[in-house]
Amino acid sequence: LAKTTQPISMDSYEGQEVNITCSHNNIATNDYITWYQQFPSQGPRFIIQGYKTKVTNEVASLFIPADRKSSTLSLPRVSLSDTAVYYCLVGDMSSSNTGKLIFGQGTTLQVKP
Amino acid sequence: DAGVTQSPTHLIKTRGQQVTLRCSPKSGHDTVSWYQQALGQGPQFIFQYYEEEERQRGNFPDRFSGHQFPNYSSELNVNALLLGDSALYLCASSLVFSVDTQYFGPGTRLTVL
Repeated sequence: LAKTTQPISMDSYEGQEVNITCSHNNIATNDYITWYQQFPSQGPRFIIQGYKTKVTNEVASLFIPADRKSSTLSLPRVSLSDTAVYYCLVGDMSSSNTGKLIFGQGTTLQVKP
Repeated sequence: DAGVTQSPTHLIKTRGQQVTLRCSPKSGHDTVSWYQQALGQGPQFIFQYYEEEERQRGNFPDRFSGHQFPNYSSELNVNALLLGDSALYLCASSLVFSVDTQYFGPGTRLTVL
């Protein structure tokens, strides 16, 4: 599984757009990029998943350049409730590989009023 | 559509005791994975169950064992508890052969005294 690198922490203010970039230089052909959000003492919550280009849902957007060696999670107009740890994961989500989600330290996002 | 559920929410045990944690997967899912999350760390993969068998295992001792039932629910058992086993235990479910990601439950907070 590809190793990921993301900033340890980020600060933002309410109403701003937040972009968290994740590096994954050794991403494999079958790998997908998945982002989770986690609040203290709760299970990680799936945010978005993508393979290439851009993916958008009601919560966030995920930008993946053509070489797929990095990705950027974009959170529009954050609020205080978006304060959480955000994990970037890269891996083959199919078949027998679905068990090995490898979590790093994640990015702690602090949203200030 | 019921999500992943776990019980109990919190548990306090003493060293040397045994504990059983339970998980019901998201409706339609057939695969259950267990993770251990120590304070301040990302979740660490313990093992995965599919078709009532352990399919993959992370770097955890044999004191950690599990079971999956015909209805896809699962149990995690930990014997001879150590202080270092204190953590948030997370269950995640998925559908085998799907590129969709894993969905996590709220977790069980285990404290070993």
